Amino acid sequence: ELKVEQNPLFLSMQEGKNYTIYCNYSTTSDRLYWYRQDPGKSLESLFVLLSNGAVKQEGRLMASLDTKARLSTLHITAAVHDLSATYFCAVDQGSNYQLIWGAGTKLIIKP
Amino acid sequence: NAGVMQNPRHLVRRRGQEARLRCSPMKGHSHVYWYRQLPEEGLKFMVYLQKENIIDESGMPKERFSAEFPKEGPSILRIQQVVRGDSAAYFCASSPNIAEAFFGQGTRLTVV
Repeated sequence: ELKVEQNPLFLSMQEGKNYTIYCNYSTTSDRLYWYRQDPGKSLESLFVLLSNGAVKQEGRLMASLDTKARLSTLHITAAVHDLSATYFCAVDQGSNYQLIWGAGTKLIIKP
Repeated sequence: NAGVMQNPRHLVRRRGQEARLRCSPMKGHSHVYWYRQLPEEGLKFMVYLQKENIIDESGMPKERFSAEFPKEGPSILRIQQVVRGDSAAYFCASSPNIAEAFFGQGTRLTVV
């Protein structure tokens, strides 16, 4: 059974700092997603990582995937308050888009 | 394209009543997925449907829950005889293929 673990689950940081969120998963998968969710809102797709070594960047966020280590990272550079949200990683089990989700990382960025 | 539309956004039901959650996928999308999210948790897959067919319902409770995606009209997630434990946010996602899905705003069900 595929399990997805994120850490940390909660992160409070100052503006301007860098930090990394980790997503480990337990069985082979070639497709990993990162989503952002604001309180009471829907999920916004941030990145889709499709192969080993994939790296994608959008603004201050950069995501990478190491399928051999079964690890993805979401790196935040010079954080700003607007990035405060909960970030989820989700892993595709291989068919029918049955994503298995991490518990989420609640990120609070203080001015 | 209006995006994935879910309604209602908020739904309050008394224990024992029925809840009907609707999801209109994005135009041209034939794949619909329902997920449940409990507070402070990630999403849990419930069911995957294509037009008039249930493809995978392995995440759906065996009793009281049902889903459909008719040829015409929205996809419906139906919960009969709701209990307090059914209180959650229910998200629908649609996709033109299985590569990437787009989520609706969710329906927040509260059972009192």
